[in-house]
Amino acid sequence: GAVVSQHPSRVICKSGTSVKIECRSLDFQATTMFWYRQFPKQSLMLMATSNEGSKATYEQGVEKDKFLINHASLTLSTLTVTSAHPEDSSFYICSATGQGLTDTQYFGPGTRLTVL
Amino acid sequence: GEDVEQSLFLSVREGDSSVINCTYTDSSSTYLYWYKQEPGAGLQLLTYIFSNMDMKQDQRLTVLLNKKDKHLSLRIADTQTGDSAIYFCAERTGGFKTIFGAGTRLFVKA
Repeated sequence: GAVVSQHPSRVICKSGTSVKIECRSLDFQATTMFWYRQFPKQSLMLMATSNEGSKATYEQGVEKDKFLINHASLTLSTLTVTSAHPEDSSFYICSATGQGLTDTQYFGPGTRLTVL
Repeated sequence: GEDVEQSLFLSVREGDSSVINCTYTDSSSTYLYWYKQEPGAGLQLLTYIFSNMDMKQDQRLTVLLNKKDKHLSLRIADTQTGDSAIYFCAERTGGFKTIFGAGTRLFVKA
């Protein structure tokens, strides 16, 4: 149980384009979803927290207009990187928690974004 | 502030035990977690422990918690090459945030 998927697993795009990453909880209702960014050989950097049906809470230093987060249902959250630049290239990981899951975050497999 | 610290590297021989250590700062933490990350993958929850427990065992994994010293450890018995990965310690703080350590890279030599 508690499986989280992400799509796509890998994406390459041109500078200036927008990229959407989906995060789905497959077998539970995710009341809260988290988006992280991970640089090579480094820990996770929390970007934002989203609760279903409400606006995401962004961490300090994360641009809301650049990283658009939508959590429209209890099983789906999306992260859209707008006007992507090479410095946005990174590994993006989502996680989710749900009721009865002891606050444990269950992680998706990650999405490798490369901006040319 | 809230912080979780881990050593960055650990190297062991196949068949030996591995012990990965972690310290945290929030004395009102509720849960503490260990996650495993293999190359190019997300984080896999290995185990967690409630803050009112001092030990939890799950097959080859033993978690020890010293709440007084705010010290958490993960012991992997009979370490295998497949255990090579990055191990993240995390705490669920009293303020309902989950703080991750920087990760310990475990190398298992055959």
